[in-house]
Amino acid sequence: QSALTQPRSVSGSPGQSVTISCTGTSSNVGGFDYVSWYQQYPGKAPKVMIYDVSKRPSGVPDRFSGSKSGNTASLTISGLQAEDEAEYYCCSYAGSYTWVFGGGTKLTVL
Amino acid sequence: QVQLVESGGGVVQPGGSLRLSCAASGFTFSNYGMHWVRQAPGKGLEWVAFIRYDGINKFYADSVKGQITISRDNSKNTLYLQMNSLRAEDTAVYYCAKDGYQYDSCGYHENWGQGTLVTVSS
Repeated sequence: QSALTQPRSVSGSPGQSVTISCTGTSSNVGGFDYVSWYQQYPGKAPKVMIYDVSKRPSGVPDRFSGSKSGNTASLTISGLQAEDEAEYYCCSYAGSYTWVFGGGTKLTVL
Repeated sequence: QVQLVESGGGVVQPGGSLRLSCAASGFTFSNYGMHWVRQAPGKGLEWVAFIRYDGINKFYADSVKGQITISRDNSKNTLYLQMNSLRAEDTAVYYCAKDGYQYDSCGYHENWGQGTLVTVSS
């Protein structure tokens, strides 16, 4: 159950787009269409932004989108806003009712 | 609306035990699988355990197998996490999370509690 690999940090200016990658293996990301993404502000609980690779819960802006290719999933945030600055985590189902998270990516809005 | 409220955290000596609770409301608790996820100070999220909606099947991360037991009482709408033989590396905020799908799950963590801090220290 090794953690998924995410970049430690990404940054972008307001209005730009950023993409956060999440690399796993065929035993998790590549094997199932059950990747989710979470946004976390310091001292707060995580909030789901994307589930099942590309589905967006109600209330999440359509600026947030998800995709997957092979063993790598991606979260793209378009039209960056200051309030998007947060930590982002990917998570994948890994079979047999187990899950694995990524190490997290700090998004900085310049 | 969905509410998850964890309790039971605190300071415990190495080798000690602790039981966390998660009181659920705002949804039909007995229809959903539930997770525990932890976060060590300054670190990332780590999935810990999952229990299916009926409480019969339980699943654990390799890092906690044999040390932690997840359970639930559907009559009380409450999820539990029994932690034994605690070590310094178990120090973390422990979150309970509701699965996103009823009955079965390959799912995701749809709703989260505010977390409860467990500190293992002498």
